[in-house]
Amino acid sequence: GIQVEQSPPDLILQEGANSTLRCNFSDSVNNLQWFHQNPWGQLINLFYIPSGTKQNGRLSATTVATERYSLLYISSSQTTDSGVYFCAVELDSYQLIWGAGTKLIIKP
Amino acid sequence: GAGVSQSPSNKVTEKGKDVELRCDPISGHTALYWYRQRLGQGLEFLIYFQGNSAPDKSGLPSDRFSAERTGESVSTLTIQRTQQEDSAVYLCASRQQGGVAGGEQFFGPGTRLTVL
Repeated sequence: GIQVEQSPPDLILQEGANSTLRCNFSDSVNNLQWFHQNPWGQLINLFYIPSGTKQNGRLSATTVATERYSLLYISSSQTTDSGVYFCAVELDSYQLIWGAGTKLIIKP
Repeated sequence: GAGVSQSPSNKVTEKGKDVELRCDPISGHTALYWYRQRLGQGLEFLIYFQGNSAPDKSGLPSDRFSAERTGESVSTLTIQRTQQEDSAVYLCASRQQGGVAGGEQFFGPGTRLTVL
């Protein structure tokens, strides 16, 4: 089956820093979503981005479907950005296949 | 409602008891999904509903797990004779329609199940 790999697994940054999170997938996908799971466990939708580039405030994402990767950029990090960032992809079976996540800690 | 809701938020049960978890999807969403998340891990797919039917039950880990959906709305996930390895957060998601053109999935807050 398809493999979804996220890197780095852990990231510790100082408030104000920028970061890039990567998601590689082993097969062509129809859909891709980025989520933030906050320390209380809630999954928050960040981007629905099967291809192209999107921006939302300090966050932006780019998916290059032909090269099977997606990048999530976080600029000017804040402590509230802490949590786990998941990438999930969908083939034609409509279930999301999840990466293991990147755990981000932003220190004040 | 405005978002996906789940109840209870926490459930502690004794090994061998049955539990029932509830999910209320976003109004008008025809597709509904159940996932399980063990501590420190990603999500694993359990079951998918399109309307009231479940075309994909492939993720249910054993015959102790079952789910139903009624009225193209609320869904219940039932775990019979719970085991300690069933301890996890059970998450429900919904989206406007099924299939790859159905848009993004939106998640509820989850039910944290602890089996003693």
